[in-house]
Amino acid sequence: LAKTTQPISMDSYEGQEVNITCSHNNIATNDYITWYQQFPSQGPRFIIQGYKTKVTNEVASLFIPADRKSSTLSLPRVSLSDTAVYYCLVGILSGTYKYIFGTGTRLKVLA
Amino acid sequence: NAGVTQTPKFQVLKTGQSMTLQCAQDMNHNSMYWYRQDPGMGLRLIYYSASEGTTDKGEVPNGYNVSRLNKREFSLRLESAAPSQTSVYFCASSDRGRNEKLFFGSGTQLSVL
Repeated sequence: LAKTTQPISMDSYEGQEVNITCSHNNIATNDYITWYQQFPSQGPRFIIQGYKTKVTNEVASLFIPADRKSSTLSLPRVSLSDTAVYYCLVGILSGTYKYIFGTGTRLKVLA
Repeated sequence: NAGVTQTPKFQVLKTGQSMTLQCAQDMNHNSMYWYRQDPGMGLRLIYYSASEGTTDKGEVPNGYNVSRLNKREFSLRLESAAPSQTSVYFCASSDRGRNEKLFFGSGTQLSVL
């Protein structure tokens, strides 16, 4: 089954902008890209979702090029509390629709 | 509004014992999912239910059974627990499945000795 591909880990310093790129070469025409954040001992929580171009909310921005084979989550001015695992998710239609998580990107924000 | 509720939060089993993990959502969602997460790893899909009355296998279904009891509840059963099933189990739900947000429970930490 097709999965997304992300860097395993990233380090950043407080106040910096962090960009995490995800590859999803087999994304279907009708599918959106969704990003989740997971803190230790908690379930993942929704951050942002987009279909193409750029989406921005109060937490992050999502950049999606025209071919939609990749996407970039941008976290502006990160703080220590942004230390978490970030997952890029694209659904898979195989019979019925389901979500297969990739490995995620473990972001560590340093003081 | 509780969202997705999982019980129990912690469980210790001996090899060969059986148990059922319970999940309930109060958002009137159609789709529900069970994932497991091993230490330092990503989430792996065990089973899912696209709608009431239907269930399908995910990536790692062996050793598990599920029941979509009604629209609210989706249970995961381990018939004969094995140490390899030691993991954190997360239940999630979404409205209709495609391009919908997943809402997760807080997880069940299961240890099989």
